[in-house]
Amino acid sequence: GNSVTQMEGPVTLSEEAFLTINCTYTATGYPSLFWYVQYPGEGLQLLLKATKADDKGSNKGFEATYRKETTSFHLEKGSVQVSDSAVYFCALSTTSGTYKYIFGTGTRLKVLA
Amino acid sequence: DGGITQSPKYLFRKEGQNVTLSCEQNLNHDAMYWYRQDPGQGLRLIYYSQIVNDFQKGDIAEGYSVSREKKESFPLTVTSAQKNPTAFYLCASSRGQGTAEAFFGQGTRLTVV
Repeated sequence: GNSVTQMEGPVTLSEEAFLTINCTYTATGYPSLFWYVQYPGEGLQLLLKATKADDKGSNKGFEATYRKETTSFHLEKGSVQVSDSAVYFCALSTTSGTYKYIFGTGTRLKVLA
Repeated sequence: DGGITQSPKYLFRKEGQNVTLSCEQNLNHDAMYWYRQDPGQGLRLIYYSQIVNDFQKGDIAEGYSVSREKKESFPLTVTSAQKNPTAFYLCASSRGQGTAEAFFGQGTRLTVV
C-alpha cells in the first residue's frame, strides 16, 4: 500500500543552522509529493510540491527534490529562523483510481534564538 | 477570498451526543476530505468525496458519517458510536487530480466531556 515515513522529532536547532527533515515513501505508480507546515492550533499550509521524478520544489528558502531511485523527498533549508518553528508533514497523493492524500506523522521543528 | 471554512473552531459536547462539524469551500473543488489529527499520529483519513452525492470511507470511518449534497459543503457527524471522539478535525479540498495539492481549513477542536 501507500505510506509515508518521516524522521521523528522534535528537531531542535539554533537560528541560522542547516535543516534536513527526512521523508521516504512507498507507493504504486507515480505519486505527487508535498510538504506541508502547521503552526499551533491551525490547519496545514502547502509549503512546496513536486509532481514527477527529479523535480525540485522550493518556497521561502525550503527545498525538496523528488528522488524516485531512493523513494525520498527530504526537506532542506540552508538557514532556519525562529519563525520556522512548526510541525512539518510530508505527504503523497495517490494517482490511480480515487485521489487521496497520505501523510507522514509530522516532525516538530523548534528553532532557538 | 477563496478558501475553506470550518466551524466552529472549538466545540464541546457531552458523551453520547452526536455532533456535526461544518466544512464549506468556495474554491470550486470537486474533491473534499476529512482528517482526524491526534498528537504523534499525524493525519488519518476519515471520509472523502470525489464528487457530489458520492463519498468513500477512509481508514478510520467507524463512528463517523458524512454527506455531500452540494459541491461546496461536506459536513462530518461524529456519532455516539465513536469511542474516542476528542481530537482536532481538519477538512480539505482539492481539484481531484493526482498532481493537485490539498487546501486545508483551520480545523475544529472537538472535546467530549
